[in-house]
Amino acid sequence: ELVLTQSPGTLSLSPGERATLSCRASQSVSSGYLTWYQQKPGQAPRLLIYGASIRATGIPDRFSGGGSGTDFTLTISRLEPEDFAVYYCQQHGSSPPYTFGQGTKLEIK
Amino acid sequence: QEQLVESGGGVVQPGKSLRLACVASGFTLKDYGVHWVRQAPGKGLEWVAYIWYDGNNKYYADSVKGRLTISRDNSNDTVFLEMNGLRAEDTATYYCAKEGGARGRYYYYFLDVWGKGTTVTVSS
Repeated sequence: ELVLTQSPGTLSLSPGERATLSCRASQSVSSGYLTWYQQKPGQAPRLLIYGASIRATGIPDRFSGGGSGTDFTLTISRLEPEDFAVYYCQQHGSSPPYTFGQGTKLEIK
Repeated sequence: QEQLVESGGGVVQPGKSLRLACVASGFTLKDYGVHWVRQAPGKGLEWVAYIWYDGNNKYYADSVKGRLTISRDNSNDTVFLEMNGLRAEDTATYYCAKEGGARGRYYYYFLDVWGKGTTVTVSS
């Protein structure tokens, strides 16, 4: 069964800095099936990126996704205060299970 | 505005049952596949179950197979999660989420509308 491992577990950065979050799969994942979500405390997750690199509607262009095969990244070019949250990658392909990574917490330094 | 609302959560003893419901506003739920995703207190997201738009196919995480059942009533535009034989490890906030899709190089799937969640606590 596919396992998604996100790193780091916690990332401490300051507003204005660049954030790079990693999602590594235990087996190859089609780029079409890798999604990223953002979750703030007390809120439901929010879709950020699908197809590994396509921003969802309304997502600012400071968010970008990339990668292929087993290694994917989410990059936030210049952190805004509202970007500090937990980020999850997910395999959402044509068949289950639709595994989530364990999450990366992005916190203010 | 597209929204989902979950209901049915509560405190229940181990071994007991609970039924969660998910209803939509701003769109017709029966046109879409629906997932349930849960989050234990202080933990990450765990995918639980998925049902096709027409109810003809259902899928479950191994951790809930045989105990949780996803279903839908498209005449009332509602999706359910029947939870039987509840265990302490089922304690979580349960979210329902709509499966969206988009065409491009691939056909992309994603969860684009989420409810606020309903909390299930299994405790004696």
